[in-house]
Amino acid sequence: DVKVTQSSRYLVKRTGEKVFLECVQDMDHENMFWYRQDPGLGLRLIYFSYDVKMKEKGDIPEGYSVSREKKERFSLILESASTNQTSMYLCASSPTGAALRESLRDEQYFGPGTRLTVT
Amino acid sequence: GIQVEQSPPDLILQEGANSTLRCNFSDSVNNLQWFHQNPWGQLINLFYIPSGTKQNGRLSATTVATERYSLLYISSSQTTDSGVYFCAVEQGWRDDKIIFGKGTRLHILP
Repeated sequence: DVKVTQSSRYLVKRTGEKVFLECVQDMDHENMFWYRQDPGLGLRLIYFSYDVKMKEKGDIPEGYSVSREKKERFSLILESASTNQTSMYLCASSPTGAALRESLRDEQYFGPGTRLTVT
Repeated sequence: GIQVEQSPPDLILQEGANSTLRCNFSDSVNNLQWFHQNPWGQLINLFYIPSGTKQNGRLSATTVATERYSLLYISSSQTTDSGVYFCAVEQGWRDDKIIFGKGTRLHILP
């Protein structure tokens, strides 16, 4: 079974702190994704990576950066956390190294999510 | 950009009932998927279905691309079907974006 793990289920941070959210997948998947989920808004893509050190911006990259130094690990970084970044963050991976415009052809495997509260 | 609307927003049914969830999209799409998020937040893929019909057990889906909608059918509902169902689309040729609908929250009563 594919396993996607996220470093924390719940996280509370203060405004202005630098926050790291870690995601690890154990099935050698090429693509990895970071989404945020807010009530009434569904899921929105923050960043996407199709290979080590390769990334593409999603719909809402402002205030976030990412790092993918190893294939299995995709980190989401909030450089200076703000209260409007309070949200549920979901990481996903999929097998093939498809471009973003074709990534929905592949099954995505999601982590359990990290509920981040910024106070 | 493309708009994705799901209906109904909420649905409460008795165990054993059948249901139809709808996803409308405002422009042509290359790819479409249905997802289920259980009450504990875990998301899984259900169907990749840019066109045509697929079935998997009690679940089936149909996309009529020319009319810009997709339907998810759940037959003989079980309490484990509860949760939120999302559709997501990609236009591909026009936009490098994955757009999710806001979801249909389904609650199956025992």
